[in-house]
Amino acid sequence: DTAVSQTPKYLVTQMGNDKSIKCEQNLGHDTMYWYKQDSKKFLKIMFSYNNKELIINETVPNRFSPKSPDKAHLNLHINSLELGDSAVYFCASTPQSRDRRYGYTFGSGTRLTVV
Amino acid sequence: GEDVEQSLFLSVREGDSSVINCTYTDSSSTYLYWYKQEPGAGLQLLTYIFSNMDMKQDQRLTVLLNKKDKHLSLRIADTQTGDSAIYFCAETPNFGNEKLTFGTGTRLTIIP
Repeated sequence: DTAVSQTPKYLVTQMGNDKSIKCEQNLGHDTMYWYKQDSKKFLKIMFSYNNKELIINETVPNRFSPKSPDKAHLNLHINSLELGDSAVYFCASTPQSRDRRYGYTFGSGTRLTVV
Repeated sequence: GEDVEQSLFLSVREGDSSVINCTYTDSSSTYLYWYKQEPGAGLQLLTYIFSNMDMKQDQRLTVLLNKKDKHLSLRIADTQTGDSAIYFCAETPNFGNEKLTFGTGTRLTIIP
């Protein structure tokens, strides 16, 4: 009964391809996020959606397009993959409440390798 | 913008205490967290502290917050080999939809 699940766990693909990563949460949370962790382990936010509405869009190339069909799902589509896109992508969710004691719940990550 | 800094590496002998430090710049930080990431794994929430607290203890973990200096620390008592991981501090400035900003991460290595 994984709270935040991402698929696939590993993704190896060639430069120039288009790929998608899916994320689903069964926690009833209102807000979902995509984070990127680079090879130096730095974690940076990419996007955030609240109830299907985009609320945070950091400086991310247009090749990255998030889509949220409903508040339990947030997918990430990447066009024309480049070598520099290789990273671990984490999905996360949080309730839209004032109680943040339980922090943000993260998925186990998708390791994307572009060759 | 927000900036959260940590030392990149820390080595500690098994059985000693580990102290991992974090500094942040956002004075409106409301919740501060410590996350643990083991090799090849996701991010596990260890503990949090609310900005009106100075200290929080949870079993082997002690969190200290100096809001004036914007300094946060995590002390792990009786460090074990299973504590080897990368530890991230993180802060969120407000309620609602605010993003979580992570520190650079501290890789804790346990020396037998």
